[in-house]
Amino acid sequence: GQNIDQPTEMTATEGAIVQINCTYQTSGFNGLFWYQQHAGEAPTFLSYNVLDGLEEKGRSSSFLSRSKGYSYLLLKELQMKDSASYLCAVMDSNYQLIWGAGTKLIIKP
Amino acid sequence: GAVVSQHPSWVICKSGTSVKIECRSLDFQATTMFWYRQFPKQSLMLMATSNEGSKATYEQGVEKDKFLINHASLTLSTLTVTSAHPEDSSFYICSAHGLAETYEQYFGPGTRLTVT
Repeated sequence: GQNIDQPTEMTATEGAIVQINCTYQTSGFNGLFWYQQHAGEAPTFLSYNVLDGLEEKGRSSSFLSRSKGYSYLLLKELQMKDSASYLCAVMDSNYQLIWGAGTKLIIKP
Repeated sequence: GAVVSQHPSWVICKSGTSVKIECRSLDFQATTMFWYRQFPKQSLMLMATSNEGSKATYEQGVEKDKFLINHASLTLSTLTVTSAHPEDSSFYICSAHGLAETYEQYFGPGTRLTVT
């Protein structure tokens, strides 16, 4: 079966760095997405990785290792507004997104 | 660019009535639109995939006679919840993709449906 695993909840301090991990097992791979979702709102796109390595964009970076079925999202200089759920999603061989359950990130002052 | 709108943003209806939710791509042509449902504290659940001009493909366990999807144009898809019941109360989100480069899905703001 297809499976995406990510931690249910994480807590971090304002100004610090947090790494959210995602492991996956899917039938085929056409890229991995990270989305941010605030409570009661739709997800917003953060990053897309299809090749191994690190993609950096502003305060966030996303890493992918296809051989290990592993990705992480790194958020730096955390701000209170970063409190949200972070969703990992993998596009399978049918170009369908398989979603993780999301990681709720709580930022404390 | 790549803006998707949804209407209404929230709706309350009585049990047994039908509700239509619209999803529009405002500045691009959406060859494919997706309808998701999200219950509180849970992840997105794909309900169906719709391609313009053809019948929607429903995920296992989703009743196609209850959740009617129409994708009549490259910028509009509608989801009609027929004979709604309280258990249909949820957050319904559409997304669209029409950009070939990354297959990124652009999400609408969602519709909060409450059935009383």
